[in-house]
Amino acid sequence: RKEVEQDPGPFNVPEGATVAFNCTYSNSASQSFFWYRQDCRKEPKLLMSVYSSGNEDGRFTAQLNRASQYISLLIRDSKLSDSATYLCVVNTPRGDSWGKFQFGAGTQVVVTP
Amino acid sequence: DGGITQSPKYLFRKEGQNVTLSCEQNLNHDAMYWYRQDPGQGLRLIYYSQIVNDFQKGDIAEGYSVSREKKESFPLTVTSAQKNPTAFYLCASRSTGQGNTIYFGEGSWLTVV
Repeated sequence: RKEVEQDPGPFNVPEGATVAFNCTYSNSASQSFFWYRQDCRKEPKLLMSVYSSGNEDGRFTAQLNRASQYISLLIRDSKLSDSATYLCVVNTPRGDSWGKFQFGAGTQVVVTP
Repeated sequence: DGGITQSPKYLFRKEGQNVTLSCEQNLNHDAMYWYRQDPGQGLRLIYYSQIVNDFQKGDIAEGYSVSREKKESFPLTVTSAQKNPTAFYLCASRSTGQGNTIYFGEGSWLTVV
């Protein structure tokens, strides 16, 4: 079983619609969670951190469910520019102050006119 | 502007050659990382360094080498022992303290010809 799993998609979303997808993680000791956005042939860029109480940044809402070990990302009022691959990133302590980052393979979102 | 600079962006390697990918950051970050990304897969950790003159193997270190002589610099050498080096290579850095986010350079595309 992969440590961080995502539905690869693609999620085809009409412009203006809402899309949501999840990411599951296997290590219950994981403490920090992030969503990154990656455009084709580009580097990943931080979209948002995911906090225990859930958090929102404009049209983006992230949730954490520790009991079921998953995080979610919801995009409202989708724009064409939201088309990208969304990477789930999990940081798990390993006895030092740094932890280990683990990456999902990404969920592709395609917003259509 | 502060950031992480990788070079070259595109590199072609002949069979049996060693090549070195450069990574420089001016963010004053302590930790630096090298990842490899293959299509449909999550990022895989090659090497990481938490402090100058110290580095550790990641999950797929075979066929690679690194150095960390300066805080700002963390070059990666892809040796001829790496049998399948064609991939997208990403350098990243992170400041001290758990939970802090990781930032990426623009990446280097390496192709074996």
